[in-house]
Amino acid sequence: NAGVTQTPKFRVLKTGQSMTLLCAQDMNHEYMYWYRQDPGMGLRLIHYSVGEGTTAKGEVPDGYNVSRLKKQNFLLGLESAAPSQTSVYFCASSVWGRGRGTDNQPQHFGDGTRLSIL
Amino acid sequence: AQTVTQSQPEMSVQEAETVTLSCTYDTSESDYYLFWYKQPPSRQMILVIRQEAYKQQNATENRFSVNFQKAAKSFSLKISDSQLGDAAMYFCAYRRSMEYGNKLVFGAGTILRVKS
Repeated sequence: NAGVTQTPKFRVLKTGQSMTLLCAQDMNHEYMYWYRQDPGMGLRLIHYSVGEGTTAKGEVPDGYNVSRLKKQNFLLGLESAAPSQTSVYFCASSVWGRGRGTDNQPQHFGDGTRLSIL
Repeated sequence: AQTVTQSQPEMSVQEAETVTLSCTYDTSESDYYLFWYKQPPSRQMILVIRQEAYKQQNATENRFSVNFQKAAKSFSLKISDSQLGDAAMYFCAYRRSMEYGNKLVFGAGTILRVKS
């Protein structure tokens, strides 16, 4: 069971460079999420998707773009990396529940990507 | 907006003893879910326990249990018979029921150290 797989696990970028983080899940989940984790701040939601072809902004979306062309994949892009985007990035997925007792399913997380921007 | 507060940045416990991690949250909703996630040094996010707000009974999972006080908006995690493998960062998280996107709101986390 692969679950949620993030690629790459580590990356170092220079300011102004661009890159894409890939998230893939094999659980047929409808919902997918991108978070960033910074010391003392927990995990904060960047963008999320409720299904193929949909995306929505989370708490800290500025400087990031996302795409979900296929149900199993959710891509996070940094067009012009900045030192403030140095962080650990997590992807997660979950099922969509229709009502009480079925929408209590937890999010399943990938192992994270450590991104450093110099 | 909902907020989750973990007031203890770090906690320590002796192996085999019991420790309680605190979490409070702010919401005007009546139907929601609460979660505790564990993040060991490997960086994985592992679900420890979840609580449905409409259930009065506190959730338990083996050595892990919660004290859910809905009126006080408090959701503490008790770890009994602490083991070295329990050492990790613990995050409390909130999610509103039937919300578009089922988004989680996390606290800042508590580092738990276990002494042998």
